[in-house]
Amino acid sequence: GQQVMQIPQYQHVQEGEDFTTYCNSSTTLSNIQWYKQRPGGHPVFLIQLVKSGEVKKQKRLTFQFGEAKKNSSLHITATQTTDVGTYFCKGGGSQGNLIFGKGTKLSVKP
Amino acid sequence: DTAVSQTPKYLVTQMGNDKSIKCEQNLGHDTMYWYKQDSKKFLKIMFSYNNKELIINETVPNRFSPKSPDKAHLNLHINSLELGDSAVYFCASSPGATNEKLFFGSGTQLSVL
Repeated sequence: GQQVMQIPQYQHVQEGEDFTTYCNSSTTLSNIQWYKQRPGGHPVFLIQLVKSGEVKKQKRLTFQFGEAKKNSSLHITATQTTDVGTYFCKGGGSQGNLIFGKGTKLSVKP
Repeated sequence: DTAVSQTPKYLVTQMGNDKSIKCEQNLGHDTMYWYKQDSKKFLKIMFSYNNKELIINETVPNRFSPKSPDKAHLNLHINSLELGDSAVYFCASSPGATNEKLFFGSGTQLSVL
């Protein structure tokens, strides 16, 4: 079945450093979604990418969808303590897909 | 008003007991889901209902039985609870069943002793 691999599993950064998490699929995706889950909270939708090579920005967050629509990345510039949490990707298949990547847990040291 | 609400928030119970978790969404969505998040934070789909009809049933023990009385509600009943059932259970909803944005409830932390 379709799988979405997400790396790294953990990332510890100093406040002000950049952070990137990557998702890779074994098959072509129709779209990819990103979610953030704060400690003790629930996953919250951040963004959806649909087009090949698409790049979207939300303030310090930059999301990319690969040309082959098999990989995606989330990059945070100059992390802040409010960025702490686990970031999940979810790949969409041609018939819909509900499988999340295993998440990247980000911790930020002030 | 909370968009997706689930109760209870915490559930502590003994092995062998039967328990239920309730979920309601006021977003007018057609599709609802149950996800299980284990201690490693992996989010695994359990069930999905579209307009009260079961459309996804992953490899879940038949001790877990979802029920959708209407498209705004999706409850989860668990029989004969086991230690391994301890996890956080999230309800979610989406406008439709295909590749849609998910709205999650705040979760139910189930602890089986």
